[in-house]
Amino acid sequence: EAGVTQSPTHLIKTRGQQATLRCSPISGHTSVYWYQQALGLGLQFLLWYDEGEERNRGNFPPRFSGRQFPNYSSELNVNALELEDSALYLCASSLGEPYNEQFFGPGTRLTVL
Amino acid sequence: GENVEQHPSTLSVQEGDSAVIKCTYSDSASNYFPWYKQELGKRPQLIIDIRSNVGEKKDQRIAVTLNKTAKHFSLHITETQPEDSAVYFCAASNSGGYQKVTFGTGTKLQVIP
Repeated sequence: EAGVTQSPTHLIKTRGQQATLRCSPISGHTSVYWYQQALGLGLQFLLWYDEGEERNRGNFPPRFSGRQFPNYSSELNVNALELEDSALYLCASSLGEPYNEQFFGPGTRLTVL
Repeated sequence: GENVEQHPSTLSVQEGDSAVIKCTYSDSASNYFPWYKQELGKRPQLIIDIRSNVGEKKDQRIAVTLNKTAKHFSLHITETQPEDSAVYFCAASNSGGYQKVTFGTGTKLQVIP
């Protein structure tokens, strides 16, 4: 069974640009989560999608947004990039309630210059 | 919202000794507590989890204990091995239709051969 995949692996942008990150969940998983992991820091919850709807979001500004497609894959968009947005962005998927185990993808390393 | 504190931030133990990592949470509605291991350059992976209706759970050399009254839970690793060296994250979530997972800040465990 294929695991969670993310693309691209690395992304380099300049300040003010927009970044789009993609995630494909494990087949059959309906929930997708996005996390930001800045260097040396923990996992900060960004967004949770389930069945195509945004269910919850973390304490991030509105320029962090995303969506989930009918095939349950997901996209994270970061507008007006700032230097401090440089981080590893991890996507995770789960079967949804009541199965809470999240399976993580390899991440996208976003560098903002 | 939920707040999860994790201690210590770094931990060094001799091979064969035990390691204990502790977390506290603030939201009494949290009912699911997973632990993730993240090896250097790799994605976080679930190693053990516990639900609020259970006080302790074991899986070979790993155990987790939960004290709902005190709102804290701990990870215990016995007979540590060099391959246990990694960053460990605790997390807390409320699966009652509000599945936002809050992670602790991580503990970097180093097992010295």
